[in-house]
Amino acid sequence: EDQVTQSPEALRLQEGESSSLNCSYTVSGLRGLFWYRQDPGKGPEFLFTLYSAGEEKEKERLKATLTKKESFLHITAPKPEDSATYLCAVPNSGNTGKLIFGQGTTLQVKP
Amino acid sequence: NAGVTQTPKFQVLKTGQSMTLQCAQDMNHNSMYWYRQDPGMGLRLIYYSASEGTTDKGEVPNGYNVSRLNKREFSLRLESAAPSQTSVYFCASSEIWQNTEAFFGQGTRLTVV
Repeated sequence: EDQVTQSPEALRLQEGESSSLNCSYTVSGLRGLFWYRQDPGKGPEFLFTLYSAGEEKEKERLKATLTKKESFLHITAPKPEDSATYLCAVPNSGNTGKLIFGQGTTLQVKP
Repeated sequence: NAGVTQTPKFQVLKTGQSMTLQCAQDMNHNSMYWYRQDPGMGLRLIYYSASEGTTDKGEVPNGYNVSRLNKREFSLRLESAAPSQTSVYFCASSEIWQNTEAFFGQGTRLTVV
């Protein structure tokens, strides 16, 4: 069964304290993995797409990496404005238009 | 560019009432989607339109209908609202079907009483 699991569910960091969020997936024939950021009351905002194992993408304090079974979102020296819920998603194995989302990791960065 | 625009932003319906959620994108994307987001359930696909003129069911289509009016617009209709349809609804679009990043609207918060 296609599945996306994110951990931890919630993460509290002090400003400047680096950490990583995990997204593990079980789909056949990965056709991309997407990371989104969602602020309260807003729609998900696209961050990164990763297509193959070993690929890395960076944006400001965020770096996303991909292996054959999981992706990590590394947050370096986070600031309070990085507080949000981070979602990852993959297309389903059957390629029938379904994007499978994880439950998300809610990050809180305290000043 | 506005990106993906949804209307209304908030709505309260009585059980049995009908309504249409509107969505428009100005990015010339081919594919459009409707999701609902519920606490503990994450984002679930209701319907999608891979290209203009086509629509298909997603994971949770019961109780909904959609219309791809043209390349820009994709509407979601609730014919007879039920309390179980209380949720936050998001419209999204992508350049091509599924394998490119999707861009989301700001959401419609719907409460059915």
